[in-house]
Amino acid sequence: DSGVTQTPKHLITATGQRVTLRCSPRSGDLSVYWYQQSLDQGLQFLIQYYNGEERAKGNILERFSAQQFPDLHSELNLSSLELGDSALYFCASSGTTGIRVHTGELFFGEGSRLTVL
Amino acid sequence: GQNIDQPTEMTATEGAIVQINCTYQTSGFNGLFWYQQHAGEAPTFLSYNVLDGLEEKGRFSSFLSRSKGYSYLLLKELQMKDSASYLCAVRGAGNMLTFGGGTRLMVKP
Repeated sequence: DSGVTQTPKHLITATGQRVTLRCSPRSGDLSVYWYQQSLDQGLQFLIQYYNGEERAKGNILERFSAQQFPDLHSELNLSSLELGDSALYFCASSGTTGIRVHTGELFFGEGSRLTVL
Repeated sequence: GQNIDQPTEMTATEGAIVQINCTYQTSGFNGLFWYQQHAGEAPTFLSYNVLDGLEEKGRFSSFLSRSKGYSYLLLKELQMKDSASYLCAVRGAGNMLTFGGGTRLMVKP
């Protein structure tokens, strides 16, 4: 158990719909990262938050957005869903100071499997 | 940007040794990581290298050469449970972690 909690574990929805994925980082971790993993593909970095502020942005579509709340949990919002958005969405957290990562290790949640029909 | 290359698939025999290579090109370098990921599960941390050389941790070892942009993960005494994908990841400028496509290792009896 990594200590990172993601909900829901599974989600099935239709094209055009909107979903919200939730992540609670490990206790004390200020950084939250979102990754997308399509079938047989590598992990694609979407976005990173540190203590409520966006820190880095990767290949995140404009239809997707995220935020980190004061209690440090994060949500990833996916809208106008397309078939190609079907993937595993992982959240990870790390014990970074925001300037230099001392541990270097990302702790991943179990992922949210999104299926768009 | 960053470019990370690793073989797509490898096959090895139970009890043997296998080396999974990773080459990278990055703007800024703050460390290289190896993760293990079983199908449909979360990646789990295996090793971290930031200086040149070999880091050994039980049956797993990881090597880094920063001048060559090269790393490898060495798995000894292979077990069936080692069948998984092995992900090479580089932390570049801005501390962003970029993953390679992963190497799917199949261990056969």
